[in-house]
Amino acid sequence: AQSVTQLGSHVSVSEGALVLLRCNYSSSVPPYLFWYVQYPNQGLQLLLKYTTGATLVKGINGFEAEFKKSETSFHLTKPSAHMSDAAEYFCAVGNSGGGADGLTFGKGTHLIIQP
Amino acid sequence: NAGVMQNPRHLVRRRGQEARLRCSPMKGHSHVYWYRQLPEEGLKFMVYLQKENIIDESGMPKERFSAEFPKEGPSILRIQQVVRGDSAAYFCASSLGNGNQPQHFGDGTRLSIL
Repeated sequence: AQSVTQLGSHVSVSEGALVLLRCNYSSSVPPYLFWYVQYPNQGLQLLLKYTTGATLVKGINGFEAEFKKSETSFHLTKPSAHMSDAAEYFCAVGNSGGGADGLTFGKGTHLIIQP
Repeated sequence: NAGVMQNPRHLVRRRGQEARLRCSPMKGHSHVYWYRQLPEEGLKFMVYLQKENIIDESGMPKERFSAEFPKEGPSILRIQQVVRGDSAAYFCASSLGNGNQPQHFGDGTRLSIL
């Protein structure tokens, strides 16, 4: 069984400030981890993914995330927030054990950018 | 390169009617997934299909819901005798394969039940 916990349903940062969105997961097998962004009335867009290899993963729009196995975390960061980053962000875990591969999503974090 | 196409974008049904949601995967993708999103919630996995096969339907409600992905044509999520609680956004995703292949999402169908 897998689960994802995103701490903070809403996060507010000032434009130009550091963005940190937290994600912790549980998985009985080595996880595949994903961050998606959702803009209003749209589908989810992949920001980045971790499967194997380097634990610091760089994605689109200046975002990156670090896989920390010891902390079962995959937090998303961006050094300097932009107004266009305001959206809903979802962390998801996939199953590396083969077979069914429906993703398990967290409840999402709504990122608010203050001017 | 067309992405995952879902139609309709919005669907309104009265209680007891049937709802049919369509999803055309990205070109070359043979794996299709359906998810449901309730307000203020993350996406919940419903079903995973490959051409003509249901691989995993562990997230599908036991009654009234069915899905197919025929050899030709789009994948269909069918909800019979809809109830108010079926109101949600339904998203389809497709991928090249399973496991570490990322899933690409459509813009969803927003189903409203009157």
